[in-house]
Amino acid sequence: QQQVKQSPQSLIVQKGGISIINCAYENTAFDYFPWYQQFPGKGPALLIAIRPDVSEKKEGRFTISFNKSAKQFSLHIMDSQPGDSATYFCAASKNRDQTGANNLFFGTGTRLTVIP
Amino acid sequence: GAVVSQHPSRVICKSGTSVKIECRSLDFQATTMFWYRQFPKQSLMLMATSNEGSKATYEQGVEKDKFLINHASLTLSTLTVTSAHPEDSSFYICSAENRWTRVFRDEQFFGPGTRLTVL
Repeated sequence: QQQVKQSPQSLIVQKGGISIINCAYENTAFDYFPWYQQFPGKGPALLIAIRPDVSEKKEGRFTISFNKSAKQFSLHIMDSQPGDSATYFCAASKNRDQTGANNLFFGTGTRLTVIP
Repeated sequence: GAVVSQHPSRVICKSGTSVKIECRSLDFQATTMFWYRQFPKQSLMLMATSNEGSKATYEQGVEKDKFLINHASLTLSTLTVTSAHPEDSSFYICSAENRWTRVFRDEQFFGPGTRLTVL
């Protein structure tokens, strides 16, 4: 069962436009929501992350919007650039269990293409 | 952020041989390391979690005897694919975290991945 659902699967945006990727979750125990950027043949790199105590977090051109009641969060990329073309994954993790494990549950990924 | 390296970046082997992949945290001590597998155009699938000095915890469906994980030190974990077969061909990615640090709490740092091709 997919614990974090992500959409769309692929996205094409014109240079300068806004890219929006959405994720939804069911488990209310999740308390950490990161977004990762992955280029082909490379490992994921953390882009930005948010915790449920805030509804929005902005870092440069990247913004996470978080809706706790709807159990949804989204990534907005402002002024999208061709260099932003990559696959983006949302993820979630919950409070550590007794073993201290902090497993990340990943969304299915969104392939973003920014057209010059 | 912290840096995690993997070696090798690519490996091609014959069916039936064993392959070892190393994951190192270069500038921090990793209390926990994670191993993921990623098929083309798909998401990351967690294979196992290992804490330094203890046995790895494998996810359901992952064969312990096939994917041997050793986390002998706070900076090194290894994944050995034993008796590899073509269906084991995939992109293997490790990540590391230090659960005790306040600055990077809950953050996992990912390695660049290892592309395994079994002929």
